[in-house]
Amino acid sequence: EVQLLESGGGLVQPGGSLRLSCAAYGFSFSTYAMSWVRQAPGKGLEWVSAITYSGGSTYYSDSVKGRFTISRDNSKNTLYLQMNSLRAEDTAVYYCAKAKGQGVMGGDYWGQGTLVTVSS
Amino acid sequence: DIVMTQSPDSLAVSLGERATINCKSSQSVLYSSNNKNYLAWYQQKPGQPPKLLIYWASTRESGVPDRFSGSGSGTDFTLTISSLQAEDVAVYYCQQYYSTPSFTFGPGTKVDI
Repeated sequence: EVQLLESGGGLVQPGGSLRLSCAAYGFSFSTYAMSWVRQAPGKGLEWVSAITYSGGSTYYSDSVKGRFTISRDNSKNTLYLQMNSLRAEDTAVYYCAKAKGQGVMGGDYWGQGTLVTVSS
Repeated sequence: DIVMTQSPDSLAVSLGERATINCKSSQSVLYSSNNKNYLAWYQQKPGQPPKLLIYWASTRESGVPDRFSGSGSGTDFTLTISSLQAEDVAVYYCQQYYSTPSFTFGPGTKVDI
């Protein structure tokens, strides 16, 4: 059974840093692209970042470029999101998602999300 | 970046009736070399992560009821629920995965009974 378990969320002050993790189970992690998607309280989905299966290419939304870094450790079946210079507008539930594959970057499996709150 | 818009923002449909949601992209998401539209649809219920319903604009994900269908090409797409059931109450999002570096979502359409 495919499972994605996010962790690392919490309360952080503006300007602070946080690293999110997403542990993957039940599929060949190293062969799929992965994404981070966030959802601010009461708002819609916002795509944040994606990484190819090998980690060779990474992509970011304009809103996080230069502040967030996506990475993966295929030996540990784990996806990461390093978030620096956090702002109040980064407050959201952060989901990791497995790309369906075969050219489809849409996520066919999602974690339950981890809440990041940026506040003083 | 490609901007996705959806209409309407919300709609209320009687049980058993048809629900139609529109999605428009600011530029074509049709890749000419394979004639595929890089467009997905998701359903999100309160307190849950999104669920993939449709990819390639019209291919239903495994396990998704056949009352859900996707259509359209280029810049204009539609998600249709042919006979609305109570469990279909949710917010529906389209997403383009044509254009790196950003795989943008639409703003969502809320469907109620």
